[in-house]
Amino acid sequence: DTEVTQTPKHLVMGMTNKKSLKCEQHMGHRAMYWYKQKAKKPPELMFVYSYEKLSINESVPSRFSPECPNSSLLNLHLHALQPEDSALYLCASSQDSQTGTNQPQHFGDGTRLSIL
Amino acid sequence: AQKITQTQPGMFVQEKEAVTLDCTYDTSDQSYGLFWYKQPSSGEMIFLIYQGSYDEQNATEGRYSLNFQKARKSANLVISASQLGDSAMYFCAMRDPTYNQGGKLIFGQGTELSVKP
Repeated sequence: DTEVTQTPKHLVMGMTNKKSLKCEQHMGHRAMYWYKQKAKKPPELMFVYSYEKLSINESVPSRFSPECPNSSLLNLHLHALQPEDSALYLCASSQDSQTGTNQPQHFGDGTRLSIL
Repeated sequence: AQKITQTQPGMFVQEKEAVTLDCTYDTSDQSYGLFWYKQPSSGEMIFLIYQGSYDEQNATEGRYSLNFQKARKSANLVISASQLGDSAMYFCAMRDPTYNQGGKLIFGQGTELSVKP
């Protein structure tokens, strides 16, 4: 079992819908990440939260809106998505984003998102 | 800029045999770390093993070991006694130190390993 929990595991939505992806970790980690991954490709970083503040936005379209309500939770709000946004969305956390090269990121199981 | 290269898009191995997955990297930093992740078809990314640039010994975790050759800038993953459950995509990665507020991971393109019974 992973220590990073993502819900839902699967999501199908229309292009006009609004939905949210949720991520939760209870490892006391202070950095949390959203990645997007297409089939048979490596994950691509979308956002980084460090100590509950957004520290990196990799030029992600505004139809993706991240939120970090507290140090354990990370949400990704979705609105007016396009078919090309269909992908696996992975959440990850690490102890601290700012120091050290030896802290692994721990990933959740991901949410498989399909846009109709 | 940092870069990770995995040159084996797909590999086959017979069950119970050992297999080596290649990873080369490029960085100008003296202090860096390399990670290997396993991703089964179900999607979760599982952290397997870490090697630091200053570690004197090659990292080992159970059946996983890292063949770290610093001068060659290679960090190959060795899986001993392959099992059917080892069939997955394997990614080599390193942290991008320029992202000092993010800890961004730079991934290779991955190697898809298939274990044959």
